Amino acid sequence: GAVVSQHPSRVICKSGTSVKIECRSLDFQATTMFWYRQFPKQSLMLMATSNEGSKATYEQGVEKDKFLINHASLTLSTLTVTSAHPEDSSFYICSATQLESSYNEQFFGPGTRLTVL
Amino acid sequence: QKEVEQDPGPLSVPEGAIVSLNCTYSNSAFQYFMWYRQYSRKGPELLMYTYSSGNKEDGRFTAQVDKSSKYISLFIRDSQPSDSATYLCAMSISNDYKLSFGAGTTVTVRA
Repeated sequence: GAVVSQHPSRVICKSGTSVKIECRSLDFQATTMFWYRQFPKQSLMLMATSNEGSKATYEQGVEKDKFLINHASLTLSTLTVTSAHPEDSSFYICSATQLESSYNEQFFGPGTRLTVL
Repeated sequence: QKEVEQDPGPLSVPEGAIVSLNCTYSNSAFQYFMWYRQYSRKGPELLMYTYSSGNKEDGRFTAQVDKSSKYISLFIRDSQPSDSATYLCAMSISNDYKLSFGAGTTVTVRA
């Protein structure tokens, strides 16, 4: 149980285009979903925290107008990278916590590799 | 200074050896400590979760927390090639607070 999926797994786009990444909790309802980015050989950096039906909370230094997060339901959150540039190329990973859990373990998706040309 | 420091390695050991990983941290408010394993191009998966100082064992894995020294460790006994991955430590202030990750240590277990 507690499976999180991401789509697409890999995307290559031209500079200036927008890219949408989906994060789904497949077999549980997620109270909270988190979005991270990870550069090669570096740790996961939290970008934002989102709760269903409310606005996302962005970490310091993350542009909310560039990284649009929508948490439409208890099983789906989307991250849209608007007007992507080569410096946005990274590995984007989402995680989700269960609605009922004594410890809010984060279950991670497999990640989305974004390459902006 | 980063909140969580972790030597990125890489670390290469022969099969059957004990793998020793550690992290140090600066924020004394951290109360919850986790170890994640991440295979290449995959998301992290939780290996161990600890709250109090001391040792916690789960099969071949032992997690150790020393809050007085702000130091945590993960030991993998009888290492297998399938243990080859990147191991990330993570910690949080409270049960439902955001996680702060270490940089991850890349481990290779040679057959």
